[in-house]
Amino acid sequence: EVQLVESGGGLVQPGGSLRLSCVASELISSTSWMHWVRQVPGKGLAWVSRVNIPGTSRSYADSVRGRFIISRDKDTNSLYLQMNSLRADDTGVYFCATSDATMVPDSWGRGALVTVSS
Amino acid sequence: EIAITQSPATLSVSPGERATLSCRASENIGSNVAWYRQKPGQAPRLLIYGASTRATGITSRFSGSGSGTDFTLAISSLQSDDFGLYYCQVYNHWPPWTFGQGTKVEIK
Repeated sequence: EVQLVESGGGLVQPGGSLRLSCVASELISSTSWMHWVRQVPGKGLAWVSRVNIPGTSRSYADSVRGRFIISRDKDTNSLYLQMNSLRADDTGVYFCATSDATMVPDSWGRGALVTVSS
Repeated sequence: EIAITQSPATLSVSPGERATLSCRASENIGSNVAWYRQKPGQAPRLLIYGASTRATGITSRFSGSGSGTDFTLAISSLQSDDFGLYYCQVYNHWPPWTFGQGTKVEIK
Protein backbone atom coordinates (compact mmCIF):
# COMPACT_ATOMS: atom_id res chain seq x y z
CA GLU A 1 0.00 0.00 0.00
CA VAL A 2 1.23 3.46 -0.89
CA GLN A 3 2.13 5.64 2.09
CA LEU A 4 0.99 9.26 1.85
CA VAL A 5 2.37 12.08 4.02
CA GLU A 6 0.80 15.53 4.11
CA SER A 7 2.52 18.75 5.17
CA GLY A 8 2.02 22.49 5.03
CA GLY A 9 -0.88 22.90 7.44
CA GLY A 10 -1.02 25.72 9.96
CA LEU A 11 -2.77 28.83 11.19
CA VAL A 12 -3.73 31.46 8.63
CA GLN A 13 -5.90 34.56 8.77
CA PRO A 14 -9.16 34.84 6.84
CA GLY A 15 -8.42 35.91 3.28
CA GLY A 16 -4.96 34.38 3.42
CA SER A 17 -3.35 31.56 1.47
CA LEU A 18 -1.76 28.24 2.30
CA ARG A 19 -0.24 25.43 0.23
CA LEU A 20 -0.61 21.80 1.28
CA SER A 21 1.71 19.08 0.01
CA CYS A 22 1.37 15.31 -0.07
CA VAL A 23 4.24 12.98 -0.93
CA ALA A 24 3.69 9.38 -1.96
CA SER A 25 6.15 6.65 -0.95
CA GLU A 26 6.14 5.06 -4.38
CA LEU A 27 5.04 5.70 -7.94
CA ILE A 28 1.27 5.69 -8.38
CA SER A 29 -0.38 4.01 -11.34
CA SER A 30 -0.93 6.33 -14.29
CA THR A 31 -4.64 5.44 -14.30
CA SER A 32 -5.13 6.46 -10.66
CA TRP A 33 -6.41 9.68 -9.18
CA MET A 34 -5.35 11.66 -6.14
CA HIS A 35 -7.81 13.46 -3.92
CA TRP A 36 -8.04 15.95 -1.09
CA VAL A 37 -10.69 15.33 1.56
CA ARG A 38 -11.29 17.54 4.58
CA GLN A 39 -12.82 16.96 7.97
CA VAL A 40 -14.12 19.71 10.20
CA PRO A 41 -13.07 18.94 13.78
CA GLY A 42 -15.66 16.65 15.37
CA LYS A 43 -17.63 16.35 12.15
CA GLY A 44 -17.77 14.29 9.00
CA LEU A 45 -15.70 13.97 5.84
CA ALA A 46 -16.09 16.08 2.71
CA TRP A 47 -14.41 15.62 -0.66
CA VAL A 48 -12.55 18.73 -1.82
CA SER A 49 -10.77 18.07 -5.11
CA ARG A 50 -9.19 15.45 -7.36
CA VAL A 51 -6.61 15.26 -10.13
CA ASN A 52 -5.57 12.40 -12.37
CA ILE A 53 -1.98 11.22 -12.25
CA PRO A 54 -1.01 12.80 -15.61
CA GLY A 55 -2.39 16.08 -14.22
CA THR A 56 -4.66 16.63 -17.22
CA SER A 57 -8.04 16.48 -15.44
CA ARG A 58 -9.12 18.25 -12.28
CA SER A 59 -12.36 18.82 -10.45
CA TYR A 60 -13.48 20.66 -7.33
CA ALA A 61 -16.26 20.78 -4.79
CA ASP A 62 -18.56 23.79 -5.24
CA SER A 63 -17.42 25.20 -1.90
CA VAL A 64 -13.79 25.62 -3.04
CA ARG A 65 -14.04 26.08 -6.81
CA GLY A 66 -12.33 29.29 -7.88
CA ARG A 67 -10.33 29.52 -4.62
CA PHE A 68 -8.37 26.24 -4.47
CA ILE A 69 -6.04 24.78 -7.09
CA ILE A 70 -4.95 21.14 -7.14
CA SER A 71 -1.79 20.11 -8.94
CA ARG A 72 0.63 17.22 -9.36
CA ASP A 73 4.39 16.93 -9.78
CA LYS A 74 5.24 13.55 -11.21
CA ASP A 75 8.98 14.13 -10.83
CA THR A 76 8.68 14.35 -7.04
CA ASN A 77 5.63 12.05 -6.76
CA SER A 78 3.80 14.87 -5.01
CA LEU A 79 0.31 16.34 -4.80
CA TYR A 80 -0.45 19.94 -3.89
CA LEU A 81 -3.43 22.03 -2.87
CA GLN A 82 -3.05 25.78 -3.20
CA MET A 83 -5.70 27.36 -1.00
CA ASN A 84 -6.50 31.03 -1.55
CA SER A 85 -9.08 33.42 -0.08
CA LEU A 86 -9.37 31.17 2.93
CA ARG A 87 -12.46 31.39 5.13
CA ALA A 88 -13.20 30.21 8.65
CA ASP A 89 -15.28 27.34 7.30
CA ASP A 90 -12.21 26.00 5.47
CA THR A 91 -10.82 25.03 8.87
CA GLY A 92 -10.25 21.31 9.24
CA VAL A 93 -7.94 18.37 8.77
CA TYR A 94 -7.03 17.86 5.12
CA PHE A 95 -6.34 14.31 4.00
CA CYS A 96 -4.58 13.24 0.83
CA ALA A 97 -5.92 9.99 -0.68
CA THR A 98 -5.72 7.86 -3.80
CA SER A 99 -8.21 5.95 -5.88
CA ASP A 100 -8.24 3.85 -9.00
CA ALA A 101 -9.76 4.97 -12.29
CA THR A 102 -13.28 4.07 -11.13
CA MET A 103 -12.84 6.08 -7.91
CA VAL A 104 -12.49 3.00 -5.70
CA PRO A 105 -10.61 4.42 -2.68
CA ASP A 106 -7.22 3.07 -1.74
CA SER A 107 -4.65 4.81 0.47
CA TRP A 108 -5.04 7.74 2.85
CA GLY A 109 -2.53 10.00 4.53
CA ARG A 110 -2.69 10.98 8.19
CA GLY A 111 -3.86 14.52 7.50
CA ALA A 112 -2.72 18.11 7.97
CA LEU A 113 -4.57 20.58 10.17
CA VAL A 114 -5.53 23.92 8.65
CA THR A 115 -6.92 26.58 10.96
CA VAL A 116 -8.37 29.79 9.51
CA SER A 117 -8.77 32.34 12.26
CA SER A 118 -7.88 35.91 13.12
CA GLU B 1 -26.03 15.41 -5.89
CA ILE B 2 -26.30 12.14 -3.97
CA ALA B 3 -27.28 12.24 -0.30
CA ILE B 4 -26.28 9.52 2.14
CA THR B 5 -28.00 8.65 5.40
CA GLN B 6 -26.32 6.41 7.95
CA SER B 7 -28.18 4.83 10.85
CA PRO B 8 -28.13 4.65 13.73
CA ALA B 9 -26.08 7.67 14.79
CA THR B 10 -24.78 5.72 17.80
CA LEU B 11 -24.72 1.97 18.37
CA SER B 12 -23.94 0.58 21.82
CA VAL B 13 -22.65 -2.98 21.63
CA SER B 14 -21.14 -5.38 24.15
CA PRO B 15 -17.82 -7.06 23.28
CA GLY B 16 -18.48 -10.35 21.51
CA GLU B 17 -21.82 -9.21 20.10
CA ARG B 18 -22.69 -8.46 16.49
CA ALA B 19 -23.16 -4.94 15.14
CA THR B 20 -25.16 -3.98 12.07
CA LEU B 21 -24.76 -0.55 10.48
CA SER B 22 -26.93 0.86 7.70
CA CYS B 23 -26.29 3.25 4.84
CA ARG B 24 -28.93 4.55 2.44
CA ALA B 25 -28.32 6.51 -0.76
CA SER B 26 -30.80 8.95 -2.29
CA GLU B 27 -30.54 7.25 -5.68
CA ASN B 28 -29.39 3.99 -7.22
CA ILE B 29 -25.61 3.74 -6.93
CA GLY B 30 -25.14 0.10 -7.87
CA SER B 31 -22.39 -1.33 -5.70
CA ASN B 32 -20.21 1.78 -5.51
CA VAL B 33 -20.04 1.85 -1.71
CA ALA B 34 -17.11 1.72 0.66
CA TRP B 35 -16.97 1.55 4.44
CA TYR B 36 -14.33 3.01 6.76
CA ARG B 37 -13.52 3.00 10.46
CA GLN B 38 -11.91 6.10 11.96
CA LYS B 39 -10.39 6.47 15.40
CA PRO B 40 -9.65 9.88 17.03
CA GLY B 41 -6.67 11.62 15.49
CA GLN B 42 -6.28 9.04 12.75
CA ALA B 43 -7.11 8.80 9.07
CA PRO B 44 -10.09 6.69 8.02
CA ARG B 45 -9.17 3.06 7.41
CA LEU B 46 -10.77 1.37 4.41
CA LEU B 47 -12.69 -1.77 5.39
CA ILE B 48 -14.96 -2.61 2.46
CA TYR B 49 -15.29 -1.47 -1.16
CA GLY B 50 -17.59 -2.53 -3.96
CA ALA B 51 -20.25 -2.93 -1.23
CA SER B 52 -18.91 -6.35 -0.18
CA THR B 53 -15.18 -6.74 -0.96
CA ARG B 54 -12.90 -6.61 2.06
CA ALA B 55 -9.86 -4.39 1.73
CA THR B 56 -6.38 -5.83 2.15
CA GLY B 57 -5.74 -7.09 5.66
CA ILE B 58 -9.31 -6.73 6.90
CA THR B 59 -10.62 -9.62 9.00
CA SER B 60 -13.56 -11.73 7.83
CA ARG B 61 -15.49 -10.52 10.88
CA PHE B 62 -16.35 -7.50 8.69
CA SER B 63 -18.88 -8.11 5.95
CA GLY B 64 -20.67 -5.74 3.60
CA SER B 65 -23.85 -6.28 1.64
CA GLY B 66 -26.44 -4.46 -0.42
CA SER B 67 -26.87 -2.83 -3.80
CA GLY B 68 -28.89 -0.03 -5.31
CA THR B 69 -29.80 2.27 -2.43
CA ASP B 70 -29.51 0.20 0.76
CA PHE B 71 -26.29 -1.14 2.21
CA THR B 72 -25.21 -2.84 5.42
CA LEU B 73 -21.95 -3.33 7.27
CA ALA B 74 -21.96 -6.19 9.75
CA ILE B 75 -19.28 -6.73 12.36
CA SER B 76 -19.38 -10.09 14.09
CA SER B 77 -18.04 -10.77 17.57
CA LEU B 78 -17.00 -7.19 18.34
CA GLN B 79 -13.55 -6.69 19.80
CA SER B 80 -12.14 -3.66 21.61
CA ASP B 81 -10.30 -2.47 18.49
CA ASP B 82 -13.58 -2.35 16.54
CA PHE B 83 -15.02 0.54 18.49
CA GLY B 84 -14.93 3.88 16.73
CA LEU B 85 -16.62 5.97 14.08
CA TYR B 86 -17.77 4.22 10.89
CA TYR B 87 -18.38 6.04 7.62
CA CYS B 88 -20.16 4.93 4.49
CA GLN B 89 -18.85 6.40 1.21
CA VAL B 90 -20.37 6.51 -2.26
CA TYR B 91 -17.92 6.79 -5.13
CA ASN B 92 -17.91 7.22 -8.91
CA HIS B 93 -20.88 9.57 -8.97
CA TRP B 94 -20.94 13.35 -8.49
CA PRO B 95 -19.24 14.44 -6.33
CA PRO B 96 -16.68 11.67 -6.96
CA TRP B 97 -16.71 10.84 -3.25
CA THR B 98 -19.64 11.45 -0.89
CA PHE B 99 -19.62 10.43 2.76
CA GLY B 100 -22.36 9.69 5.24
CA GLN B 101 -22.41 11.45 8.58
CA GLY B 102 -21.09 8.41 10.42
CA THR B 103 -22.18 5.84 13.01
CA LYS B 104 -20.39 5.75 16.33
CA VAL B 105 -19.93 2.21 17.65
CA GLU B 106 -19.35 2.37 21.39
CA ILE B 107 -18.88 -0.11 24.19
CA LYS B 108 -22.11 -0.96 26.01
